[in-house]
Amino acid sequence: ETGVTQTPRHLVMGMTNKKSLKCEQHLGHNAMYWYKQSAKKPLELMFVYNFKEQTENNSVPSRFSPECPNSSHLFLHLHTLQPEDSALYLCASSQERTGGEAFFGQGTRLTVV
Amino acid sequence: RKEVEQDPGPFNVPEGATVAFNCTYSNSASQSFFWYRQDCRKEPKLLMSVYSSGNEDGRFTAQLNRASQYISLLIRDSKLSDSATYLCVVNAFNQAGTALIFGKGTTLSVSS
Repeated sequence: ETGVTQTPRHLVMGMTNKKSLKCEQHLGHNAMYWYKQSAKKPLELMFVYNFKEQTENNSVPSRFSPECPNSSHLFLHLHTLQPEDSALYLCASSQERTGGEAFFGQGTRLTVV
Repeated sequence: RKEVEQDPGPFNVPEGATVAFNCTYSNSASQSFFWYRQDCRKEPKLLMSVYSSGNEDGRFTAQLNRASQYISLLIRDSKLSDSATYLCVVNAFNQAGTALIFGKGTTLSVSS
């Protein structure tokens, strides 16, 4: 059983829809991440939260809006997406101060139609 | 120079072969290093951490050269089940905190 849970596992949404991806970690970590993985492309870091504070935003379009209400939960709010945003969205967590490895959720496979 | 660069793939090897993957990183402030494995359409999973003294886990050996900013992974006696994409990962600390930076990955295909 994974310590990082993502929901939903699959999502199909229209370009005018608003949806949210959810991530929850049960590992006691204090850093959480959103990554995007498009087909046949490497993982792209989108957002980093350390101690609930966003510390990195890699020029991600504003149609992606992260939220980290506490150290165990992370959301990615989606609105007016484009078909090219279709990808696997992966959440991960780590113990930031110790520089430990990250544990990933199983991802949400998003299709924008 | 890209933050994390890996050997281009794919590597196609027969069962029993020894294969080596290389990786270089650009941020000299990097503190932690890992190899992850990703199977098709699955999330990445930690294969092993990489320590300065080098470390071995069964058929897998990881090496780190801080001076050259170079990381390697050696797989001995390849199995069919080793077929996957291997990701070099560097955890860099900076003023903003920390972030895991992934290489593009090297695909390994082991055939019988």
